[in-house]
Amino acid sequence: GQQVMQIPQYQHVQEGEDFTTYCNSSTTLSNIQWYKQRPGGHPVFLIQLVKSGEVKKQKRLTFQFGEAKKNSSLHITATQTTDVGTYFCAVWGNTGKLIFGQGTTLQVKP
Amino acid sequence: DVKVTQSSRYLVKRTGEKVFLECVQDMDHENMFWYRQDPGLGLRLIYFSYDVKMKEKGDIPEGYSVSREKKERFSLILESASTNQTSMYLCASRSGFSTDTQYFGPGTRLTVL
Repeated sequence: GQQVMQIPQYQHVQEGEDFTTYCNSSTTLSNIQWYKQRPGGHPVFLIQLVKSGEVKKQKRLTFQFGEAKKNSSLHITATQTTDVGTYFCAVWGNTGKLIFGQGTTLQVKP
Repeated sequence: DVKVTQSSRYLVKRTGEKVFLECVQDMDHENMFWYRQDPGLGLRLIYFSYDVKMKEKGDIPEGYSVSREKKERFSLILESASTNQTSMYLCASRSGFSTDTQYFGPGTRLTVL
């Protein structure tokens, strides 16, 4: 079945440093979603990318969809302690199932 | 705002017990899902439902069953709980067949002793 690989699994950064997580698929994707899960919380939808090469920004977060629609990235500029959590990408599989990457857990040292 | 609620935040059960996890959504969503989340394994789909009385197996259905008698309610059942079912269980709902946002409940942390 369809799979999506997400790297890295963990990332520790100093507050103010940048952070990036990547999602890769062997097949062309129709779209990709990103979710954030705070410690002790549940995944919350951030954004959906649909078009080839699409770039969307939410304040310090920049989301990109690759030209071939096989990969995506989430970049956070100048991390803050409020960015701590696990970031998941998710893609649509067959029969409407959302397939999640393994997640990248971000720790930010103040 | 969409609201997805789960019956318990924390649950402790003994091996062999029958366990019911309840999920209710208030947005008239057709689709509902049960996931389990374990460190290093991400979110894994157990079962999902597209409509009342309808269910489909996800990636890890073994040891679980589900029930959807009403549109707003989706129950996950562990017929005979085992220690390897200790996990965080997340319910989610989504509207129609579109690639819409999936909304998650707060989760139930189940410990099986």
